[in-house]
Amino acid sequence: GNSVTQMEGPVTLSEEAFLTINCTYTATGYPSLFWYVQYPGEGLQLLLKATKADDKGSNKGFEATYRKETTSFHLEKGSVQVSDSAVYFCALPNTGGFKTIFGAGTRLFVKA
Amino acid sequence: DVKVTQSSRYLVKRTGEKVFLECVQDMDHENMFWYRQDPGLGLRLIYFSYDVKMKEKGDIPEGYSVSREKKERFSLILESASTNQTSMYLCASSPGTGVKSSYNEQFFGPGTRLTVL
Repeated sequence: GNSVTQMEGPVTLSEEAFLTINCTYTATGYPSLFWYVQYPGEGLQLLLKATKADDKGSNKGFEATYRKETTSFHLEKGSVQVSDSAVYFCALPNTGGFKTIFGAGTRLFVKA
Repeated sequence: DVKVTQSSRYLVKRTGEKVFLECVQDMDHENMFWYRQDPGLGLRLIYFSYDVKMKEKGDIPEGYSVSREKKERFSLILESASTNQTSMYLCASSPGTGVKSSYNEQFFGPGTRLTVL
């Protein structure tokens, strides 16, 4: 079935630093790809998605591009804020099923 | 504002008790899911349902059961709680029918932190 691997955390950055969280996937066909974010004490919420190759998803200053050549969907932000401190999950649909496959999550700490 | 609500944010139970975790969504979604989240293990799917009265086992169904009598409500049941079921439990819902429904966003509740003593 499909699978996803994302970089381990935690990642600690100073405010206004550049962020990259790596995500690579294995998939049959070209499924949608997702980034979810979980702020402290909350459930997950969709951050952005891309539905086909070369699509760029973006939201709240975060971006990720669906790269089929490198099977990657890396999350980037040019200037992080303390409020971006959260856990970030890369995800994709499972092969032929109703389920979504989530990465292990990457915890981000941003220092003022 | 669309919502998934869970009956409790925090719950403390004793070993051997029967525990009910309730989840309600107001978006008329077909699909509902129960996950548990543990440090270092990410999200693990316990059960899901793609229609009323339908249920499918996820990756870790042992020790759990579910009930979906109405479209908006999906209950997780721990028949006899054990200490290794201490965890954060997350409910989610998503729209759509068929296997391509997994291409749609999932909407999550705030979670229930369950402690079994």
